[in-house]
Amino acid sequence: QKEVEQNSGPLSVPEGAIASLNCTYSDRGSQSFFWYRQYSGKSPELIMFIYSNGDKEDGRFTAQLNKASQYVSLLIRDSQPSDSATYLCAVNAGANSKLTFGKGITLSVRP
Amino acid sequence: KAGVTQTPRYLIKTRGQQVTLSCSPISGHRSVSWYQQTPGQGLQFLFEYFSETQRNKGNFPGRFSGRQFSNSRSEMNVSTLELGDSALYLCASSRVAGGPGDTQYFGPGTRLTVL
Repeated sequence: QKEVEQNSGPLSVPEGAIASLNCTYSDRGSQSFFWYRQYSGKSPELIMFIYSNGDKEDGRFTAQLNKASQYVSLLIRDSQPSDSATYLCAVNAGANSKLTFGKGITLSVRP
Repeated sequence: KAGVTQTPRYLIKTRGQQVTLSCSPISGHRSVSWYQQTPGQGLQFLFEYFSETQRNKGNFPGRFSGRQFSNSRSEMNVSTLELGDSALYLCASSRVAGGPGDTQYFGPGTRLTVL
């Protein structure tokens, strides 16, 4: 069974700090990796995705992949209270496989 | 471009009834996936459709079924509702099914309450 695990939360950081969110996956053949943000009572929204060939930076967000250790991380720099949400990691192993989600980790940014 | 739409947004049913939820994907997207989200279980995969064919199915009982139409719109049906079916049902669409292009975009969800 292909699994995606997210480290236990909740995670609390002060405003302006770097928040580091991690996710491990079991399928070594995984090819694409996604981070979604979900505010309470809302549906998940895509933050960013990376493929197995590299990391990605988008504004305050950086997604990094460590294929050898099979984990993907999301770094949020200069955290803001508006970043307080649940972050879902999702992994796709390739054609004909479904997107597998982790259970999410709740981030709280303290003003 | 319009996003994924789901109808209805809220639904209240009683045990034993059945319900049909609808999802219209982003224009040009041919894959639709359905998820059930509850506080205790997180996001659980129900099924995925691509070009009117069910490609993947999660571990849900046969009371949960779905279909996709030629215009890529999808419906899911839950028969003989149980209290435990109360959840947020999310639909997500993507251009393709599986592979690097399978970036899913979620609709607002349908909040189902079973009394």
